[in-house]
Amino acid sequence: EADIYQTPRYLVIGTGKKITLECSQTMGHDKMYWYQQDPGMELHLIHYSYGVNSTEKGDLSSESTVSRIRTEHFPLTLESARPSHTSQYLCASSFSGINNEQFFGPGTRLTVL
Amino acid sequence: TQLLEQSPQFLSIQEGENLTVYCNSSSVFSSLQWYRQEPGEGPVLLVTVVTGGEVKKLKRLTFQFGDARKDSSLHITAAQPGDTGLYLCRGSGGSNYKLTFGKGTLLTVNP
Repeated sequence: EADIYQTPRYLVIGTGKKITLECSQTMGHDKMYWYQQDPGMELHLIHYSYGVNSTEKGDLSSESTVSRIRTEHFPLTLESARPSHTSQYLCASSFSGINNEQFFGPGTRLTVL
Repeated sequence: TQLLEQSPQFLSIQEGENLTVYCNSSSVFSSLQWYRQEPGEGPVLLVTVVTGGEVKKLKRLTFQFGDARKDSSLHITAAQPGDTGLYLCRGSGGSNYKLTFGKGTLLTVNP
């Protein structure tokens, strides 16, 4: 069973607040990813990381930022949340390698009022 | 970006029926994965297929990788309400970390 954790699971905040979504994995995976997803819809890759001190933007433009100071930790930050940021945010990780199967956390459901 | 097309986008069936969903691309993949996502949770890996023509079975689920490794299908026999979820395929291979998932097939199995 995958050991990847996200907190909080649910977050309701007001417009303009700064938030950080936490993601940690204990599998020693070098790659980590953040996806944005509306219910029942496709996954949109917004950030990914090859390893420590490496971060890249994904296919979907996002106002969020990420950091990777430790292998196991890949937090996502929104400096000023807006209602358009309301969505589910999923964190994933994988090893390097040709198959690089991804393991997902349970997600954070964000609602910005 | 190597696109993955999934069909159908939505599928609603009755318990006991059989169904097939498809994942197609114009690109060749070294492997292809199928994931299932239940509401409110993250996707969970079901299977990885690697060899062209490969068939893998997972209880009532049968996965096939096309001979040319450009497409895949998932067949469910005697669907049950517990099969309800979003089925996602993902192609893998090369150094394209931006390669991502297909849009998914949202399956609803009604009791």
